[in-house]
Amino acid sequence: AQSVAQPEDQVNVAEGNPLTVKCTYSVSGNPYLFWYVQYPNRGLQFLLKYITGDNLVKGSYGFEAEFNKSQTSFHLKKPSALVSDSALYFCAVRDTGTYKYIFGTGTRLKVLA
Amino acid sequence: NAGVTQTPKFRVLKTGQSMTLLCAQDMNHEYMYWYRQDPGMGLRLIHYSVGEGTTAKGEVPDGYNVSRLKKQNFLLGLESAAPSQTSVYFCASSPGTGGFNQPQHFGDGTRLSIL
Repeated sequence: AQSVAQPEDQVNVAEGNPLTVKCTYSVSGNPYLFWYVQYPNRGLQFLLKYITGDNLVKGSYGFEAEFNKSQTSFHLKKPSALVSDSALYFCAVRDTGTYKYIFGTGTRLKVLA
Repeated sequence: NAGVTQTPKFRVLKTGQSMTLLCAQDMNHEYMYWYRQDPGMGLRLIHYSVGEGTTAKGEVPDGYNVSRLKKQNFLLGLESAAPSQTSVYFCASSPGTGGFNQPQHFGDGTRLSIL
């Protein structure tokens, strides 16, 4: 069965430091991977996606993600964290051959001033 | 351009009551989805629709019904509310064209409490 795992419930990072939010996946066939961000009392907002091509994908708000096929990972990164980046982050994969998406359980990012 | 709009934003129900959550999108998207979000469990798919007049079950469909009579609207019904249905409900949509590489657009959610 296809799945997505976010191994960390929470990640704390100091403002100005680089951040990484981890995601691993298990799918049959080519993966279609997404990152979303959720601010309090709001819906999820799309950050970036990997479909094919370059393994480093750039997205909104200075975020990027690195696709690693051998490690089946799609980690979200940002070179310099901002306090305003504090939010809940979800990794998702398109369920192969269907119209459905599978979401991870989310990682809460806390950026400390 | 409003995107995806959910109504109501908040609701408190008593066990056994029924209600309908409304989702409307103005992006002419083909696909629409209903999720519930519970702490530590991420988003779980309740029902989805790939076009007007079509619906399908997701991961957790029991206790819910849906209808998509118009392309822009996707209704989620609770026939007899139970405390286990206390959750935050999100509607999402995505285009039909472009297939599997399109992200979803989400509404801001409906916070539902069942007493």
